[in-house]
Amino acid sequence: GENVEQHPSTLSVQEGDSAVIKCTYSDSAPNYFPWYKQELGKRPQLIIDIRSNVGEKKDQRIAVTLNKTAKHFSLHITETQPEDSAVYFCAASREVTGGGNKLTFGTGTQLKVEL
Amino acid sequence: DAGITQSPRYKITETGRQVTLMCHQTWSHSYMFWYRQDLGHGLRLIYYSAAADITDKGEVPDGYVVSRSKTENFPLTLESATRSQTSVYFCASSVNRDYEQYFGPGTRLTVT
Repeated sequence: GENVEQHPSTLSVQEGDSAVIKCTYSDSAPNYFPWYKQELGKRPQLIIDIRSNVGEKKDQRIAVTLNKTAKHFSLHITETQPEDSAVYFCAASREVTGGGNKLTFGTGTQLKVEL
Repeated sequence: DAGITQSPRYKITETGRQVTLMCHQTWSHSYMFWYRQDLGHGLRLIYYSAAADITDKGEVPDGYVVSRSKTENFPLTLESATRSQTSVYFCASSVNRDYEQYFGPGTRLTVT
């Protein structure tokens, strides 16, 4: 099955700096790579996603890059703000027999933005 | 977000008891999922369903049973709860495969 490794497990940055979270996958052909943000005590919420036919996607201060050759994808947050403090999860999805997709999540990165 | 709900939000039960966690969505999404979240493991898929009456195992299905007789409901049953099943359980739904999954608020389950 799919295995997704996520690094770092914790990340502390100063407000205004950039933050980068990296994930690698082991399966040969995931086709969908979402990123979720989870604030303390809340549910995970999608912040950005990318499909396997796209190398990069940007939405305001966040961007995701995908390198299929190296089997890794990354989340970039620029101009970080205190409200960006949360746990971020990467995930990789692949189609399964009978239809549907299975998401395998990374173990999460606790991002702390310090004033 | 009010479109997907879970009940109960908190549950304490004893080892060996049967427990059912409920999940209800109002969007008529085809796909529904159950995850458990534990420190150091992220979110792990227990079971998923592509449509009513179609379910399949995820990464950690042992000790759990699911059913989906109606599109909007996807209950998760722990047949005989064990302490290792103490966790936060999230239900999620999506309109189609490889689309955004919307998560419910979660159920915090403690097995004593």
